[in-house]
Amino acid sequence: KNEVEQSPQNLTAQEGEFITINCSYSVGISALHWLQQHPGGGIVSLFMLSSGKKKHGRLIATINIQEKHSSLHITASHPRDSAVYICAVSLMGNQFYFGTGTSLTVIP
Amino acid sequence: KAGVTQTPRYLIKTRGQQVTLSCSPISGHRSVSWYQQTPGQGLQFLFEYFSETQRNKGNFPGRFSGRQFSNSRSEMNVSTLELGDSALYLCASSLLPNYGYTFGSGTRLTVV
Repeated sequence: KNEVEQSPQNLTAQEGEFITINCSYSVGISALHWLQQHPGGGIVSLFMLSSGKKKHGRLIATINIQEKHSSLHITASHPRDSAVYICAVSLMGNQFYFGTGTSLTVIP
Repeated sequence: KAGVTQTPRYLIKTRGQQVTLSCSPISGHRSVSWYQQTPGQGLQFLFEYFSETQRNKGNFPGRFSGRQFSNSRSEMNVSTLELGDSALYLCASSLLPNYGYTFGSGTRLTVV
């Protein structure tokens, strides 16, 4: 049983499209994280959310605590956004659970 | 400012050996956490240290251990290596636990 489920697993988009990646979780959390991993392994922490919505440039992350659901949106997608996006949740004891990731390819 | 530094970047070890990986956090960060990433299991949490104390541990056998020093640098050790330990090992640091993490580039361990 996975505590964190992401969808879709793979996503291909044309440059300029609006992209949504979804994350559902089944446990009580203290925070939800969105991570970006480029080929080669480097991971960048994009957002940490415990409620509401955050925006950074073309990236927007939202969370609905009651529904145990979060979304990551990318507006005006660009080929450099191609990466794996990983949803992770941290529990009260700082235990982390990770989704399996969404592989995004943006075609010029 | 310097990021999270992990050494070495790549490592090849033989089954049965032990290995020590190092993580130097961002200056001022006191929380360091470790993760294992494999193609089959994805990212999994290993443990987190704060002020030299292990705060939480993931579901890994006792062959996996770690420690944190007074300067917040952390090491993780894997003893009696198995082929399945081949993975990318990532560490992340934050000012405080659950405060927002910065990841290192990882150490890619291959066990042969």
